[in-house]
Amino acid sequence: QVQLVQSGAEVKTPGASVKVSCKASGYTFINYYIHWVRQAPGQGLEWMGFFYPNGGDTFYAQKFQGRVTITWDRSLSTAHMELSSLRSDDTGVYYCARGAQISRSIFDYWGQGTLVTVS
Amino acid sequence: DIVMTQSPLSLPVTPGEPASISCRSSQSLLQSSGSNSLDWYLQKPGLSPQLLIYLGSRRASGVPDRFSASGSGTDFTLRISRVEAEDVGVYYCMQTLQIPGTFGQGTKVELK
Repeated sequence: QVQLVQSGAEVKTPGASVKVSCKASGYTFINYYIHWVRQAPGQGLEWMGFFYPNGGDTFYAQKFQGRVTITWDRSLSTAHMELSSLRSDDTGVYYCARGAQISRSIFDYWGQGTLVTVS
Repeated sequence: DIVMTQSPLSLPVTPGEPASISCRSSQSLLQSSGSNSLDWYLQKPGLSPQLLIYLGSRRASGVPDRFSASGSGTDFTLRISRVEAEDVGVYYCMQTLQIPGTFGQGTKVELK
């Protein structure tokens, strides 16, 4: 079955960087988009960006451009999201989600989330 | 960016009764194909969001048929025909017509 398993919680100081991983299994990794979505404590959902392993396309929301980088390790079927110059308002849960086959922007499977605390 | 507005933001429900949530977009989400780029997600307490409805009205795999959705253009509605206890959580609509995809604020559904 399709699974997205994310790396564990992180605590970072302001100005540092964090790298969150998302390991995919149960499907052909390169054929589907991977998105990253953030949720601040007690708040709603915010799309950060996506990448497409088969071709390497990446796109970042303007809000995060310059601070976010999405990379991947094809051999490990793992995507990484790195956010730099962390601020206290970057605290939240970061999710990876798979773009569905019918449409890259429909998120049919989600990771369990990774809590990033900036303090 | 396209702004998504949900109402109500809080919805107390009685098990067995129907419920509905409204979602409005600041721009039409109707594609030339006739589909609407509007999806619904449910985030149950302590869990990741899960896809309920995509392209305006299509139920995702495994979603009970008590969930339905309708609407076109800028006005959309999610309906639960008979609420069950497992339906509690926060419901989000999301537009995917334009990048960045944007979510509504969320509607918290809880039992009375």
